[in-house]
Amino acid sequence: EAQVTQNPRYLITVTGKKLTVTCSQNMNHEYMSWYRQDPGLGLRQIYYSMNVEVTDKGDVPEGYKVSRKEKRNFPLILESPSPNQTSLYFCASSFSSRGRSPLHFGNGTRLTVT
Amino acid sequence: DQQVKQNSPSLSVQEGRISILNCDYTNSMFDYFLWYKKYPAEGPTFLISISSIKDKNEDGRFTVFLNKSAKHLSLHIVPSQPGDSAVYFCAASASFQKLVFGTGTRLLVSP
Repeated sequence: EAQVTQNPRYLITVTGKKLTVTCSQNMNHEYMSWYRQDPGLGLRQIYYSMNVEVTDKGDVPEGYKVSRKEKRNFPLILESPSPNQTSLYFCASSFSSRGRSPLHFGNGTRLTVT
Repeated sequence: DQQVKQNSPSLSVQEGRISILNCDYTNSMFDYFLWYKKYPAEGPTFLISISSIKDKNEDGRFTVFLNKSAKHLSLHIVPSQPGDSAVYFCAASASFQKLVFGTGTRLLVSP
């Protein structure tokens, strides 16, 4: 089954404790991206990757890191989480980076930073 | 600067009636528009799209209308069903660039 898999689904952590949210897709998609969803703000892009070893900042990259060492995986790293990073996070992938290729989303990771 | 706006946070409709979800945009360079649907505890899923060379695209019960002069698009669901209850996001892109999402509209279809 074609899918984007994120883990964990739920995560509660404390300020400053490094964490990683994993994302994997099995569709051989070139393009992968991370979004955060906040009330009243919709989906905002954090980082994206157009292919292996190619990553770039989205609209809200501060406090986040990513890597793309393999085509299928695109982990999101919070080196020193803060309460303002409490949010619902989605990983997504698509065949190409061009806006006409629909995104396939994972089921989300709800992160709470206390 | 919110380039894609969904001014109605929520909409309630009775089963069998038409649901109309609206989306306004400010960037005249946007030339491709998509709607995504999101159920609780799931990620958004692609629903329907439209290119700026068209003013209407239909897929079963779902139709998207685009009014370029007004920079407005709408999603019509006819007839609405309880299973359509979800959050709907519109999104837009310009010249094959990244998608910009709206803030979402929560649709509730009551039996």
